[in-house]
Formats: sequence, structure tokens, C-alpha cells
Amino acid sequence: ETGVTQSPTHLIKTRGQQVTLRCSSQSGHNTVSWYQQALGQGPQFIFQYYREEENGRGNFPPRFSGLQFPNYSSELNVNALELDDSALYLCASSLRLAGSADTQYFGPGTRLTVL
Amino acid sequence: AQSVAQPEDQVNVAEGNPLTVKCTYSVSGNPYLFWYVQYPNRGLQFLLKYITGDNLVKGSYGFEAEFNKSQTSFHLKKPSALVSDSALYFCAVRDLGVGQNFVFGPGTRLSVLP
Repeated sequence: ETGVTQSPTHLIKTRGQQVTLRCSSQSGHNTVSWYQQALGQGPQFIFQYYREEENGRGNFPPRFSGLQFPNYSSELNVNALELDDSALYLCASSLRLAGSADTQYFGPGTRLTVL
Repeated sequence: AQSVAQPEDQVNVAEGNPLTVKCTYSVSGNPYLFWYVQYPNRGLQFLLKYITGDNLVKGSYGFEAEFNKSQTSFHLKKPSALVSDSALYFCAVRDLGVGQNFVFGPGTRLSVLP
């Protein structure tokens, strides 16, 4: 196990609702990244937080937003849910050090179903 | 932009035989390459990475990968496959832009037959 935890495990929402997903980083890590993995596809980068600030964003609309807290845990918020938002949402934590390609360690994911 | 291709959707191999899962990449600078494995309804587990140095990288569970710069490949290998190796395998390249995040390939499903 990586030490990265996510909650909830599963979630069912209806179109138009809002959802908050949570991630607890591995101890000692300062960076959290979020990915969306649609069925049968590889993970797609949503955004990353480093020291409580957004530090990069993929091709996702503004209704996908996030937070990182002083203890490096993180939230992913999605507003105005659409059917295509149904996916496995993965959180990954890492320790960013200057000049290194830090390895990302993934949590088990949250399976979101939008009806 | 960085990209990763995994040319095989599915790889089947008999237990005890060697396995290879292929990956090719495209980057603008030095490649940072990773392999992850995903079991059903689970997150991704880190297997190994190439940053620099020896072209043959050894990782977890007996897996290794060979970096070939001229062919821009990073194939995952194991000398003797186990049924428990059956899973979804992802190759990823590190994006050196802002956020330095991973660009994943589409995945290859490995089935090891008893």
C-alpha cells in the first residue's frame, strides 16, 4: 500500500449536482495531483497542488476545482456534474525536490457515477 | 508535447514464459519514464522508472524495463510470467512543463494463462 487514501470509495450523483472528493497524502509528501480515468482509458491529468497552490492544470473546465490544505491533504470539487464525468478519480502524492523526477504514488481512487 | 504509445491493447502469455509489454514515447528533452500496474478496482501501483544511467532498470515483482533512446522505447519485461501478473499496465512519461505531471499511455491488458 502507498499510504495515500481517498474517500469516498464510490459515489453516485445526478446530473447538475456538485461533488467533493478527498485525498490524504502519503506522510512526508508535499504535492498532490488529481487524475480522471474513464473506463478503458489511461489516467488524464486534471491539476496539481504544491504547497497549497495550483501548480499546473490539464484540459479540464473551471467547474473542476481543488484545494490543498496545510497538512497536504487535498479536495477535488466538481460542479454541475455531467454524465461524462463518470469515471475513476485518482489522487497521487509525491515529494517534490528540485531537479528530480519524483515518483507519484496513487490512492485507490473514487468511482463516481453520474446518472 | 510529450506523448506515450502502447501499441498493443492486449498481450497474452503462458505462465512461465517471458513477457514483454511495449511502450514508445515522444519527448522534447530527456525522458523520465515510468511503468505502473493497475489491478481491478484499484489505483495504480508503481513498478519502476528510468531517469538516467543504466538502460536496464529493475523494479518490483521481478519486472524490468529496457530504455532504448534510438528507438524511443521503454519496454517492460519479465523473464517468467505468473498468473498473478494479469493486470492493466500503463507506461507514462514525465511532462517537464508546469506541474511536471505524468502523461499516460492508453494501457495494455496482460493476461497470463495457466
